[in-house]
Amino acid sequence: GAGVSQSPRYKVTKRGQDVALRCDPISGHVSLYWYRQALGQGPEFLTYFNYEAQQDKSGLPNDRFSAERPEGSISTLTIQRTEQRDSAMYRCASSLATGSRPSYEQYFGPGTRLTVT
Amino acid sequence: GENVEQHPSTLSVQEGDSAVIKCTYSDSASNYFPWYKQELGKRPQLIIDIRSNVGEKKDQRIAVTLNKTAKHFSLHITETQPEDSAVYFCAASRYRSGYSTLTFGKGTMLLVSP
Repeated sequence: GAGVSQSPRYKVTKRGQDVALRCDPISGHVSLYWYRQALGQGPEFLTYFNYEAQQDKSGLPNDRFSAERPEGSISTLTIQRTEQRDSAMYRCASSLATGSRPSYEQYFGPGTRLTVT
Repeated sequence: GENVEQHPSTLSVQEGDSAVIKCTYSDSASNYFPWYKQELGKRPQLIIDIRSNVGEKKDQRIAVTLNKTAKHFSLHITETQPEDSAVYFCAASRYRSGYSTLTFGKGTMLLVSP
């Protein structure tokens, strides 16, 4: 079946602009994660959704970052007033896991490469 | 929070040799340890994982071992092939309340020469 998809794949924006990054998880996956991956590093956790509920946002670096998943499927990560240090690959991952149905595996999307000039 | 250290950062082997990548973690409550393979320009792909209730798991040419006492785990690849060349990431997490946030190591670039 179709894997996790993300759009856009590449985004170049000027400092100070807002950007919205989209993630479409694997059908039926109720858990959705956002990670940020700097060049040459492993992914770093940003936030987690269980269905539409944002249950963990401990990894969001500051209040310019926000995320939503209003219908429990597609998610959007929004960065306001972008800064050059926000440049990175932003990846989402999805998992079948729920509280009553443990599933450890997370499957990653292709990512959105964000460049802030 | 959790901290994962991964070694070596680069590993070069000849085709047919074995490769071993090692990781240590800090949070004794971590109970899930996946390994991801990331080819250049591609997404991380889950290749094998282990939970804290087992000490070893094998899948064809790859195996993972876990030592909970020492808080380290390793990836073993036997009979390496050029297509094994990639960056490998280990991760650790504590599965709780239906989810787990992965903490990744910095990655190991494996180069397999024909």
